[in-house]
Amino acid sequence: DIQMTQSPSSLSASVGDRVTITCRASQSISSYLNWYQQKPGKAPKLLIYDASSLQSGVPSRFSGSGSGTDFTLTISSLQPEDFATYYCQQSDSTPWTFGQGTKVEIK
Amino acid sequence: EVQLLESGGDLVQPGGSLRLSCAASGFTFIYYAMTWVRQAPGKGLEWVSAIGGGGSPTYYADSVKGRFTISRDNSKNTLYLQMNSLRAEDTAVYYCAKRSTSSRADDFWGQGTLVTVSS
Repeated sequence: DIQMTQSPSSLSASVGDRVTITCRASQSISSYLNWYQQKPGKAPKLLIYDASSLQSGVPSRFSGSGSGTDFTLTISSLQPEDFATYYCQQSDSTPWTFGQGTKVEIK
Repeated sequence: EVQLLESGGDLVQPGGSLRLSCAASGFTFIYYAMTWVRQAPGKGLEWVSAIGGGGSPTYYADSVKGRFTISRDNSKNTLYLQMNSLRAEDTAVYYCAKRSTSSRADDFWGQGTLVTVSS
């Protein structure tokens, strides 16, 4: 199985900050990398697919990059509604494994 | 409007069985692969199973292989997860999700149903 490792596990940031979350795969997954946002008590929401494609309706302050084994999710200017947990997921091969999550908290 | 409504979650004893359902609306169900993902209390997301639009292929996580069965009834626009030989570690919120046709991502999720395995 492909292991996905996110870093950091949590971070504290202020509104307006630029935030970067990284995700590393245990083997190459090409660009088959998705990013999801989850708020407490809610279902996950797709933000980015294929490493860098923005899902319809997602604000442009979210962006993704990377290929192979190393990927990043960037929030260019953190907004109050962005405080949540973020998960990466590889969809190169089953099982479609998730990273352990990164919790973005208010500083 | 796309809607996914899970049901069937309950308290069940270890070794017991449960069938989850996910009623879909707002899209042509047969065209889309579907996925089950679970989340244990306070933990991260775990992919469980997936099924193609026509009912095949099917895929399972090793943790549930041989115990869980995914299926769908396209005439009823409903996805199922039959869970047998349940264990305490199966306790989680179970989400169904619709797979995108243009990517290998799940672009819409239901709100989840809670399964608790405890004596």
